[in-house]
Amino acid sequence: GQNIDQPTEMTATEGAIVQINCTYQTSGFNGLFWYQQHAGEAPTFLSYNVLDGLEEKGRFSSFLSRSKGYSYLLLKELQMKDSASYLCAVEDSNYQLIWGAGTKLIIKP
Amino acid sequence: EAEVAQSPRYKITEKSQAVAFWCDPISGHATLYWYRQILGQGPELLVQFQDESVVDDSQLPKDRFSAERLKGVDSTLKIQPAELGDSAMYLCASSPLGSGGSTDTQYFGPGTRLTVL
Repeated sequence: GQNIDQPTEMTATEGAIVQINCTYQTSGFNGLFWYQQHAGEAPTFLSYNVLDGLEEKGRFSSFLSRSKGYSYLLLKELQMKDSASYLCAVEDSNYQLIWGAGTKLIIKP
Repeated sequence: EAEVAQSPRYKITEKSQAVAFWCDPISGHATLYWYRQILGQGPELLVQFQDESVVDDSQLPKDRFSAERLKGVDSTLKIQPAELGDSAMYLCASSPLGSGGSTDTQYFGPGTRLTVL
């Protein structure tokens, strides 16, 4: 079967750094997406990884290891507005997106 | 910046009633997706269109759900009759390329939150 695992909830402090992990087992792999979703709103695209390594985009970075079936999203200099759910999604061999359940990130002052 | 439009934003209905949701994708986007998202879970694909054709509706409960994209632009998702378990957020997304054989970023609309009483 196809499976995406993420922690259900994480808590971090404003100004700090947090790493949200995602492990996957899918039928093939054509890329991995991270989306941010604020409560009651639609997911918004954050990053896409297809090759191993780190992709940096401002305060957010995403890492991929295809051999380990593992990715993480790194958020630096946390702000209160970063409180949201972070969804990991993998494109399988048919280019269909398999979604994780999301990680709810709580930022405390 | 172009956005995916959805309406209504909120819908409250009684079980056994019919409901319909509308989605207008980003102009020029060939692929349109309808998802259902239950609180605390990831989106679940209901149906995927490539232009006006259905590409994947394997997870659509066809006894009560229907979807169409007649002219390959906007789309309607219908539930008849609604059941208590249908309460969820219904998300529409679009992507620019044709389906299959290539990676395509999906852009989501604001969603319709359905409550069935």
